[in-house]
Amino acid sequence: TQLLEQSPQFLSIQEGENLTVYCNSSSVFSSLQWYRQEPGEGPVLLVTVVTGGEVKKLKRLTFQFGDARKDSSLHITAAQPGDTGLYLCAGEGDSSYKLIFGSGTRLLVRP
Amino acid sequence: SAVISQKPSRDICQRGTSLTIQCQVDSQVTMMFWYRQQPGQSLTLIATANQGSEATYESGFVIDKFPISRPNLTFSTLTVSNMSPEDSSIYLCSVMTGEAFFGQGTRLTVV
Repeated sequence: TQLLEQSPQFLSIQEGENLTVYCNSSSVFSSLQWYRQEPGEGPVLLVTVVTGGEVKKLKRLTFQFGDARKDSSLHITAAQPGDTGLYLCAGEGDSSYKLIFGSGTRLLVRP
Repeated sequence: SAVISQKPSRDICQRGTSLTIQCQVDSQVTMMFWYRQQPGQSLTLIATANQGSEATYESGFVIDKFPISRPNLTFSTLTVSNMSPEDSSIYLCSVMTGEAFFGQGTRLTVV
C-alpha cells in the first residue's frame, strides 16, 4: 500500500517566519502534487513536480522533489496570514487514474 | 480545467435517514471521484464513479452504505444511507484532468 506521510501535522507560526513541510513515502511516485485547502472549499492545486531533484518556485513557495522521487518538501518564506490553510501532497497510485493524498499539514500564520 | 458544482453545501440530518449529494461538472469526464474528509484532515477516497458501469469502491466502503449513480458524463450522486453520527464528515466530489479539481464539499452533521 502506498502511503504519503506529512510532517508536521500542525504548525502555528508568526507572520514573517519561514517554514518547511515534508511529504515522505517508502514508494516511488512518477510525480507529486501539492494542494492547499481553505475552510469550506475543496483543495486547489499549487504545483506538480515530476523530475527527481526538481525545484519549483511559486512566489514565496519553493517545492522540491526528492532525487529518488519518494519525498517532497514545501518551503514558505516570510509566511503571511493568507498562507493559512491545509496543505496536502498527493501522488498517483498504482492505478494511475486516482490520487493518494498525504496525511495533511494544517498551517496557521498569526498576524 | 473543470468547474464542479456540489450541493448541498451543508446539512444536518437525523440518524437513520439518508442524504444524497449531487455533483455537476461543466465538461464531460470519464471518471468522477468521491472523497470523505474529517475537518482539518486528509482526504480518503470512497469510490470511483464510471459512467455506464458500477462504481468501484475502496477498502472499507460498500455500495449498500454509499450507493453512487453516474447517469451521464457530467453528473454523479453519492448517497449516505442509514446515517449515524460517525458519518458526520465533509464529502467531496472530484475529477482529474491532469490535476484534481474539487467541488466545494458537503459538510454533513448527523444528530
